[in-house]
Amino acid sequence: QVQLQESGPGLVKPSETLSLTCTVSGDSISSYYWNWIRQPAGKGLEWIGRIYMSGITDYNPSLKSRVTMSLDTSKNQFSLKLSSVTAADTAVYYCARRISGRYDLDVWGQGTTVTVSS
Amino acid sequence: QSVLTQPPSVSAAPGQKVTISCSGSSSNIGKNYVSWYQQLPGTAPKLLNHDNDNRPSGIPHRFSGSKSGTSATLGITGLQTGDEADYYCGTWDSSLSSWVFGGGTKLTVL
Repeated sequence: QVQLQESGPGLVKPSETLSLTCTVSGDSISSYYWNWIRQPAGKGLEWIGRIYMSGITDYNPSLKSRVTMSLDTSKNQFSLKLSSVTAADTAVYYCARRISGRYDLDVWGQGTTVTVSS
Repeated sequence: QSVLTQPPSVSAAPGQKVTISCSGSSSNIGKNYVSWYQQLPGTAPKLLNHDNDNRPSGIPHRFSGSKSGTSATLGITGLQTGDEADYYCGTWDSSLSSWVFGGGTKLTVL
C-alpha cells in the first residue's frame, strides 16, 4: 500500500525559500504524476503544481514564478521549493499522487504545517 | 475565487439524501473527468469518487457522482453523522494546464 509523507521546516522566515520533501513508500516513484497542494487554515485547497517521472512540470499560474519541483528517484522522493515567501504562504502542505491517464489524486500525504513568520 | 463553483454549505437530516453541485466550464469539467474528495476535520482529503462516477475500493455505494456538460454532482444517500466533512470537486483544466478545485462545501448532518 503506497504511502506519502511530507517533511520539512515548520517555520520559515518572510522572503526566504520554503523547502519540503515528500517520501513515497510502498511503490516506485516512476510512472506517476506527483503533486503538491496547500490549504490555508479555514480555507479551501489550492493546487501548487506537479512533476512527472520524466521531470516535466506544470505549475499553478499564480505561483509559477516562485515554484520549483524536483524528483530524486534514488530516494523515492520529490520536492517543492517556494521562494520569496510571505505570510500568505502559511498553510498545510500536502503531497499527492495522480496516476497517468486518470483525473484524480488518489493517494495523499497527511500534510505538514508551514508557518511563515519572523 | 475558485475556478470550479460549489455551494459553501449544505445540510440534511440523518438518513436523508443530499447533493453537492460543482460548476465549471468547457476547458475543465466539460472536457475532463471530475473527482470528489472528502476532508474530515483535521485530516487530509480522501478520494471519494473519480472518473465522474467510480468509487475507490472501500468507499460505500452511498456516495455517487455524475456529470452533465460543464457541471458535476456528488450525491450522498443514507446520511450519517460521520459524513460531516468538507467536500471538494476537482479536475484538470486544459486551458490553464493546471489542476483546479472547487471552493469546498461543508456538509452538516442535522
